[in-house]
Amino acid sequence: DGGITQSPKYLFRKEGQNVTLSCEQNLNHDAMYWYRQDPGQGLRLIYYSQIVNDFQKGDIAEGYSVSREKKESFPLTVTSAQKNPTAFYLCASSIGSGAYEQYFGPGTRLTVT
Amino acid sequence: AQTVTQSQPEMSVQEAETVTLSCTYDTSESDYYLFWYKQPPSRQMILVIRQEAYKQQNATENRFSVNFQKAAKSFSLKISDSQLGDAAMYFCAYRREYAGNNRKLIWGLGTSLAVNP
Repeated sequence: DGGITQSPKYLFRKEGQNVTLSCEQNLNHDAMYWYRQDPGQGLRLIYYSQIVNDFQKGDIAEGYSVSREKKESFPLTVTSAQKNPTAFYLCASSIGSGAYEQYFGPGTRLTVT
Repeated sequence: AQTVTQSQPEMSVQEAETVTLSCTYDTSESDYYLFWYKQPPSRQMILVIRQEAYKQQNATENRFSVNFQKAAKSFSLKISDSQLGDAAMYFCAYRREYAGNNRKLIWGLGTSLAVNP
């Protein structure tokens, strides 16, 4: 089955630790995206990548970092510099940057205490 | 800058009835795309329907249809014969057609739909 996987579904970390969220897709999509979702707010774009070895900051990139070494993978690192990291994180992909739809993974709930 | 507004934070509908969710947007562009996404309790975001601004015909996907009013910048979602599985958060989203390298989606805040048996 083609799709997007995110692991783990729930993640707990202590304050001050960096943590990396996994996102893998087997849809052969060129573009990938990371969103953050907080209660009462719409989705906010953290980073996106249109092609391997290239990525761009979204609206709320501070305190986050990404890499895109393989087409299938777009991991997100939440660093200790992110002031309020507890949130639900969604990864998405699309055929290309000019494509219409974004397809989403199941998400990771990160809790930092 | 483009904005998307969903004015109904919560709605409810009886099973088998019809419900309409509202979405308005603000843009100076003439070419763009509009989407409705559904987020059930599992929290996975699922595309429901897509509308291209250049198309006059309203998009339809089974029980889901839209009323696209370009001049009014309105994009409502109608769910017919509502089912218990339709209970979810529904998000309206906008995407520019011509935006260089960044064709990002702009999201509304969502409408929580409850379906009553």
